Amino acid sequence: GAGVSQSPSNKVTEKGKDVELRCDPISGHTALYWYRQSLGQGLEFLIYFQGNSAPDKSGLPSDRFSAERTGGSVSTLTIQRTQQEDSAVYLCASSPRGGGQTYEQYFGPGTRLTVT
Amino acid sequence: GDSVTQMEGPVTLSEEAFLTINCTYTATGYPSLFWYVQYPGEGLQLLLKATKADDKGSNKGFEATYRKETTSFHLEKGSVQVSDSAVYFCALSEVNNNAGNMLTFGGGTRLMVKP
Repeated sequence: GAGVSQSPSNKVTEKGKDVELRCDPISGHTALYWYRQSLGQGLEFLIYFQGNSAPDKSGLPSDRFSAERTGGSVSTLTIQRTQQEDSAVYLCASSPRGGGQTYEQYFGPGTRLTVT
Repeated sequence: GDSVTQMEGPVTLSEEAFLTINCTYTATGYPSLFWYVQYPGEGLQLLLKATKADDKGSNKGFEATYRKETTSFHLEKGSVQVSDSAVYFCALSEVNNNAGNMLTFGGGTRLMVKP
């Protein structure tokens, strides 16, 4: 079946512009995660959704970052007024559920963001 | 907070050599442990996992044993192949109401296998 998809695969933007990254999870997966992979910070957790709800947004790097999920499916990660330190690969993962017991997370191919 | 430490790479081996990638962790509770692999140009894939002490995860000839007494989850393979060349990430997960099963990753270890 279809895996997790992300778009765009690559995004080059100028400093100060806003960008929107999209994640389509595996159908039926209620848990969705965003991570960031950068040279300086490695792989870091950003935010978790159970359904449409994100209980804790403190993992987002700054208030320029926001995320939402609608219909228990597609999620978007928005970065406003991008900075060069935002350059990274943004990964999305989904799993059947979150919490209670450990479910495997299935990762998308990522969006490579370059801020010039 | 939770953390994962793994050996830095790159690790360069000849084909059919024995592989060990060390991984240790600190956690507040009783985590599940994972190894993920990232092949060139591909996304992260789960390689193996273990959810309780003394469990052994295995897949594709790779093995790792959950050692609670040493807080370790070292990855091993008896005979590596060129196709095993990739970046390997050790990770842990603790159930958290606000973060689900968020993964905490180590820094990754690049493995290069030469023919």
